[in-house]
Amino acid sequence: RKEVEQDPGPFNVPEGATVAFNCTYSNSASQSFFWYRQDCRKEPKLLMSVYSSGNEDGRFTAQLNRASQYISLLIRDSKLSDSATYLCVVDTGGFKTIFGAGTRLFVKA
Amino acid sequence: EADIYQTPRYLVIGTGKKITLECSQTMGHDKMYWYQQDPGMELHLIHYSYGVNSTEKGDLSSESTVSRIRTEHFPLTLESARPSHTSQYLCASSESQKNTEAFFGQGTRLTVV
Repeated sequence: RKEVEQDPGPFNVPEGATVAFNCTYSNSASQSFFWYRQDCRKEPKLLMSVYSSGNEDGRFTAQLNRASQYISLLIRDSKLSDSATYLCVVDTGGFKTIFGAGTRLFVKA
Repeated sequence: EADIYQTPRYLVIGTGKKITLECSQTMGHDKMYWYQQDPGMELHLIHYSYGVNSTEKGDLSSESTVSRIRTEHFPLTLESARPSHTSQYLCASSESQKNTEAFFGQGTRLTVV
C-alpha cells in the first residue's frame, strides 16, 4: 500500500463547477499536510497548507480528518486556469516529505 | 520566487557518460531532496539530506549518488548514463521545522541517447 494515495483522476469538469479531491495517508504519526499544484512540464508549487480545523483560501477549501487519516481539497467555481495536477503531500515530521501520485484536473469552457 | 536553482535545465548526453546535475539554494534550508518524474507521472523520491554530510536513499532505487558538503549545494551524479535514466530530475529544499513548504527548482530534463 502506498503511503499517500489520491483519487486517480483525471477529472473533467465545466467552468463554474465544484470539484473535490481526496487523499489518504497511512502513517498516523504524520504531522504536516499540504496541497501542491503542478502545471504541465513545470515544478510543483505550494497551493495551501492543511490545518486540523480546516482552512479556506478564496475558492479553495482544505480539510483534514486525523482519525480517518484523510485530506480533501474542494475547488469552487472552477476556472480554466485551475487545470493542473493537484498533489497531496504529507510530512511525517523531521523525516522525508511524501508526495501523492497527483490528480489531474481539466476544466473545460 | 524560490531561491533554488538547478543547472542545466536541459541536457542531452551519450550513453556511458558521467554527469552531475547541480542544485543550489540560498535560503539556508537544512533539508534537500531529489525527485525523478517521467512526463505525466508521479514524483519519486530518489535521495534526501537532513543537512551537511547527511544523505539517504529515497523510495525509488537509483543508480545516482549525491553529496552534501555545503548546506546550499546538493549535486546528483550519474557515473555512467543509460537511456533508462532519461527523465526529469527535480531538486527541492525545506526548513527543518514542521509545517514548512518545500520549494522546487525548475528541474533538469535529461535525455540519454
